[in-house]
Formats: sequence, structure tokens, C-alpha cells
Amino acid sequence: AQKITQTQPGMFVQEKEAVTLDCTYDTSDQSYGLFWYKQPSSGEMIFLIYQGSYDEQNATEGRYSLNFQKARKSANLVISASQLGDSAMYFCAMREWAGRRALTFGSGTRLQVQP
Amino acid sequence: GAVVSQHPSWVICKSGTSVKIECRSLDFQATTMFWYRQFPKQSLMLMATSNEGSKATYEQGVEKDKFLINHASLTLSTLTVTSAHPEDSSFYICSAGDWTVASSPLHFGNGTRLTVT
Repeated sequence: AQKITQTQPGMFVQEKEAVTLDCTYDTSDQSYGLFWYKQPSSGEMIFLIYQGSYDEQNATEGRYSLNFQKARKSANLVISASQLGDSAMYFCAMREWAGRRALTFGSGTRLQVQP
Repeated sequence: GAVVSQHPSWVICKSGTSVKIECRSLDFQATTMFWYRQFPKQSLMLMATSNEGSKATYEQGVEKDKFLINHASLTLSTLTVTSAHPEDSSFYICSAGDWTVASSPLHFGNGTRLTVT
């Protein structure tokens, strides 16, 4: 069974600073993908970044980077130069390629960026 | 632009009535779509997997007779909440992805906020 754990229910960060949102996962599969989504108060789910289990390099997408430590089964999201518009819920999710192929989500972290 | 369209974005209905929610993939053919439910301040919970041309697969604890799923075409899946009750009030969100690319994320509709009075 797969499981995603996000241990930070809420985080505060000052504008322009970097913040790390934690995510650990549990799977017995070798092939899987890790995703981060942002959910603003409007409810839409915005895809941010992807990391494949076989990817050797950490993924980066603009101000977002993923600190992937496979042996520790962690996939932390790093947001650099935080902006007020980054305030939202952030969900870590995983999909096993050999399974149902649905995403399983963590409980989320609410990030608030302070001016 | 949006690659998954969901309609309606919100609906209020009376207890005992049925509500249909549509989910369309706009840029690709989706043989599989997923329906999630989200309660306030909680995560997304998978309800069911919608398979084009066959029966949906429901997660444990989800009543298939209450949440009817139809996936009649490669671009459309519908979720019908039958005989809705106040406890069915929630945020329902569908998703689909292009399975030809492993790194392709699931794209989500904008969700439907259902309120049953």
C-alpha cells in the first residue's frame, strides 16, 4: 500500500525567502512518480513539479525544486523567493506505474507568505 | 488553458434530488478518469476510477449506487450523486491524464462544490 505523509499542517514564510515543504512516501514499487500540486482557495489543482523514481537529477521548474532523497523516501518541495501569490495549500502526491495509476495525496500543507 | 473541464462549478440542490457533474478532457483522449472528493481543510480522497466503455472501479467505502459514474466517450465522464443528502455536500473534482508519457501529470478540473440543503 502506498502512503504519503506531510507532517507540516501549516507553514509561514516571509516574502522573498525560501521555504521547504516536507513529504515522505511509502511504496514497495520500484517505478513511481512523485508530484506536487498547489491548491489556492479557489479550489483548482495546479500541477507544480514532477519527479520520477528513476530520475537521478532533482527536478526543477522555475522557482520550484524538488529535493528527492530516494533512500529516505522523501520528496520535499522547495519554493525559492516566495511571493504573496504562493499562499495556498500544497499537496504531495504519488502514482505507482504498475498500479491503479490514480494519484494518492498527502494531507497537505497550508503555506502563508507574509509581506 | 485548461485541459480538463468540469461543470458545474457549484450546485445547490434539495435533499433527495440527483445531481450530475460532467468532466471533459479537452486536449486528449482519456480512457481513464478519476473522481476525487475533498472535505473542507482535508485532502483529496479517491472515490472511483472511471473507465471508458466499462464499469467504474470504486474505492472501498464508496457507494456505487449513490455515486453513479458513466464514461461513455473518450472525452467525457459523468458523476451523478443520486438521492443526495446533506452529508454528500462536498467538493468533487475530476482528473485525467495522458498515459503515453510517464511524467505527464494528472490534470484536474476546477471542481464542483455541492451543497445539499
